[in-house]
Amino acid sequence: AQKITQTQPGMFVQEKEAVTLDCTYDTSDPSYGLFWYKQPSSGEMIFLIYQGSYDQQNATEGRYSLNFQKARKSANLVISASQLGDSAMYFCAIPYGNNRLAFGKGNQVVVIP
Amino acid sequence: DGGITQSPKYLFRKEGQNVTLSCEQNLNHDAMYWYRQDPGQGLRLIYYSQIVNDFQKGDIAEGYSVSREKKESFPLTVTSAQKNPTAFYLCASSRQGFNQPQHFGDGTRLSIL
Repeated sequence: AQKITQTQPGMFVQEKEAVTLDCTYDTSDPSYGLFWYKQPSSGEMIFLIYQGSYDQQNATEGRYSLNFQKARKSANLVISASQLGDSAMYFCAIPYGNNRLAFGKGNQVVVIP
Repeated sequence: DGGITQSPKYLFRKEGQNVTLSCEQNLNHDAMYWYRQDPGQGLRLIYYSQIVNDFQKGDIAEGYSVSREKKESFPLTVTSAQKNPTAFYLCASSRQGFNQPQHFGDGTRLSIL
């Protein structure tokens, strides 16, 4: 199975500033992708962004961007112009097998006004 | 609106009792999944189904059972054999393909009485 590591402690970020979340992964698949999800305190998991390892350009979805550093087996999520509603847990996940996802343990983000 | 509906939101189980968590989707997705989340942890896969009338065990299937008689529905039964069932349970669905995001319901929180 794939291994996902998210080791940053809880992060506090000032409203309107950017925050970068780190995710490292271990996979033997030659072609793979990486997802980021947001989980607010209410519990639902919200899909944010995806990028395939073969994509040349970093993915961007609104205020979210995903930066692959394949040599380091690392992928960052950057949230620009933080809003209070961005306070949540953020999980990265990598696909394996038949449509399965391996999730990291998450990064806590708290946006302060 | 299309989406995934989980019910109930909160569920209490007595010792020795089986309980069933409901998951319904109207996204016309072939694949459906059940995850368990413990406090401070990522998601762990219990069961998944790629197609109607077929399902496979995930990483922590012991003490759980599922059925997939209809494309829209994937109920999870927590049996009395599951000795530590207190957790947050999330259902998801997706199209086929490793780059397809999984879309989640709002979750069911199960506790022991």
